[in-house]
Amino acid sequence: RKEVEQDPGPFNVPEGATVAFNCTYSNSASQSFFWYRQDCRKEPKLLMSVYSSGNEDGRFTAQLNRASQYISLLIRDSKLSDSATYLCVEMDTGRRALTFGSGTRLQVQP
Amino acid sequence: EPEVTQTPSHQVTQMGQEVILRCVPISNHLYFYWYRQILGQKVEFLVSFYNNEISEKSEIFDDQFSVERPDGSNFTLKIRSTKLEDSAMYFCASSEVLAVSFSYEQYFGPGTRLTVT
Repeated sequence: RKEVEQDPGPFNVPEGATVAFNCTYSNSASQSFFWYRQDCRKEPKLLMSVYSSGNEDGRFTAQLNRASQYISLLIRDSKLSDSATYLCVEMDTGRRALTFGSGTRLQVQP
Repeated sequence: EPEVTQTPSHQVTQMGQEVILRCVPISNHLYFYWYRQILGQKVEFLVSFYNNEISEKSEIFDDQFSVERPDGSNFTLKIRSTKLEDSAMYFCASSEVLAVSFSYEQYFGPGTRLTVT
C-alpha cells in the first residue's frame, strides 16, 4: 500500500521565519512529486513540482532524496499569507493518480 | 489565468438519490480527474479519464460511480444511489498531455461539497 507520511503539525512560526517540512513516501516506483497548499475547506493549489535536482521558486525550495525516499519544502521569510496546510503528493510511474499525504499545517503569526 | 470550474458548490441530497456533479476542465487539457476529501481526511483519487474513457480508477470508484464527458467542455461524476458515507468534498482536476515534457501537474477546481442526509 502506497503511503505518503507527513508530520501534521501545526508549525507555529513568527513572520519572517524559515520553516521546513519533510515528507516520506513508501513507493519506490514513484515518478513525480509535488507540493500543494490547501486553505481551510478549499481546493489543493499546486505550489511546485519537485525535481530530482531540487528546485526553487522565490521563497520556496523543494528537494527530493530518492535514496532515502523523502521530500522537503523550505519556506523562507514566512508571510502571514503562507498559513495553510501543505500537502506532499506523489505520482506512481506510468500512472496519473496522485497519492496525497495528510498535510502539515503551518500557522504564521504576526 | 485559466481555471477548473465546478458546479454546484454545495449539493444536499437524500440517501438513495442520484447526484451529478459537474466540472469544466481547463480548455486545452485532455486528462481529467475526480478526487474526494472526506472532512478531516486526506484527498483521495477516484478516477482519471482520457480520450473519452476511464484510464484509471481506485477501489472507491465502484459501480455506483460513473463519469462522462457529455460535450466538448463538461466532465461529470454521477453517483447512482448515494450513501451517507459519500458525504465529502469532490474535486475535479485536469492536466495537459505533453508529448515532450514530463509535466503531469494537475490543477484542481474549487470543489462540490456533497452532503447526504
